[in-house]
Amino acid sequence: TQLLEQSPQFLSIQEGENLTVYCNSSSVFSSLQWYRQEPGEGPVLLVTVVTGGEVKKLKRLTFQFGDARKDSSLHITAAQTGDTGLYLCAGEHNFNKFYFGSGTKLNVKP
Amino acid sequence: DVKVTQSSRYLVKRTGEKVFLECVQDMDHENMFWYRQDPGLGLRLIYFSYDVKMKEKGDIPEGYSVSREKKERFSLILESASTNQTSMYLCASSHHYGRGSYNEQFFGPGTRLTVL
Repeated sequence: TQLLEQSPQFLSIQEGENLTVYCNSSSVFSSLQWYRQEPGEGPVLLVTVVTGGEVKKLKRLTFQFGDARKDSSLHITAAQTGDTGLYLCAGEHNFNKFYFGSGTKLNVKP
Repeated sequence: DVKVTQSSRYLVKRTGEKVFLECVQDMDHENMFWYRQDPGLGLRLIYFSYDVKMKEKGDIPEGYSVSREKKERFSLILESASTNQTSMYLCASSHHYGRGSYNEQFFGPGTRLTVL
């Protein structure tokens, strides 16, 4: 059983569309990270959210941490082909212990 | 820039061989981690270390061992490789901040290991 459930598992959209990826848990996390991973590469850290209700923006990407620090979402506005990749969320639990979601594979078609 | 490097990007070994995967970080991080990543199973923690010569088992330590003789280096050892250890191996590191702070993991590029 995954501590963190990510949805959807797969997403295929046209360039210019908006999308949201969800990361849910019944556990409270001290922080939550979002990563993007390209095929054959390691995950690259995009953002860390720490405070309940926190919203962070990275250009067209908006990250939100739930008020209770149990869930998070990633919203991409006007997706581009360069956004294609595997998006992973990871929650830090009991300090220094990280739990990963199974990932959302995003394909943005031109 | 934060840097985690892994000794090989691709490795092909035979069943029964001893395999060493090396990871080096230059950020003076206390914690280092080894994961394997398989389709449909996500990232699974094999071992982690929070200090030199210290190690703790993760979720799937069977068939693996680790060594941390220096702060910047963390090695994963497959004593006798088997075909079910064919996978993508990812090393990560982080600081060891306690209560009142948070930690971020930084990953290496990964080693794609194939065991024939």
